[in-house]
Amino acid sequence: DVKVTQSSRYLVKRTGEKVFLECVQDMDHENMFWYRQDPGLGLRLIYFSYDVKMKEKGDIPEGYSVSREKKERFSLILESASTNQTSMYLCASRGTSEPTYEQYFGPGTRLTVT
Amino acid sequence: GQSLEQPSEVTAVEGAIVQINCTYQTSGFYGLSWYQQHDGGAPTFLSYNALDGLEETGRFSSFLSRSDSYGYLLLQELQMKDSASYFCAVNLYGNNRLAFGKGNQVVVIP
Repeated sequence: DVKVTQSSRYLVKRTGEKVFLECVQDMDHENMFWYRQDPGLGLRLIYFSYDVKMKEKGDIPEGYSVSREKKERFSLILESASTNQTSMYLCASRGTSEPTYEQYFGPGTRLTVT
Repeated sequence: GQSLEQPSEVTAVEGAIVQINCTYQTSGFYGLSWYQQHDGGAPTFLSYNALDGLEETGRFSSFLSRSDSYGYLLLQELQMKDSASYFCAVNLYGNNRLAFGKGNQVVVIP
């Protein structure tokens, strides 16, 4: 079974802090994704990565950056956390061998910025 | 760009049938996916339509019509455990990333 894990289920940070959200997958997937989920807005893509050291902006990258130094690990970084970044953050991964359409999600990190 | 529209909430009794619709606007996509998310849980994959027509997986079926830019998820013989949010998503051309709809919450009552 594919397993996607995220470093924390709940996180509380102060405005202006640098925040790291870590995601690890154990299925050797090439593709990894970071989403945020807010009530009424669904899942919105922040950044994604096709391979180690590769990254691409999603729909809402402002205020975020990412790092992928190893294939299994994809980190989301909030350089200077703001209250409007309070949200649920979901990491996902997907392989490139058939089937290629299924994404596997981690349990999520609920981040509160005060 | 792309957009996906889903109605927001539906309540139904156990044993009933519920249809969740998804209309989309996108320039090109490989297929339409459906995901289920229970409260506090992670989204999990339910079904995928690459071609027009109906795909059946147990009590759940999914349909796609590319000419109508429309799809739906059909939940049959509803059970209490089906209470969840359901998201449609298109697998976009180019990078095969997913673009999600806002989701539809299904509440099953006894």
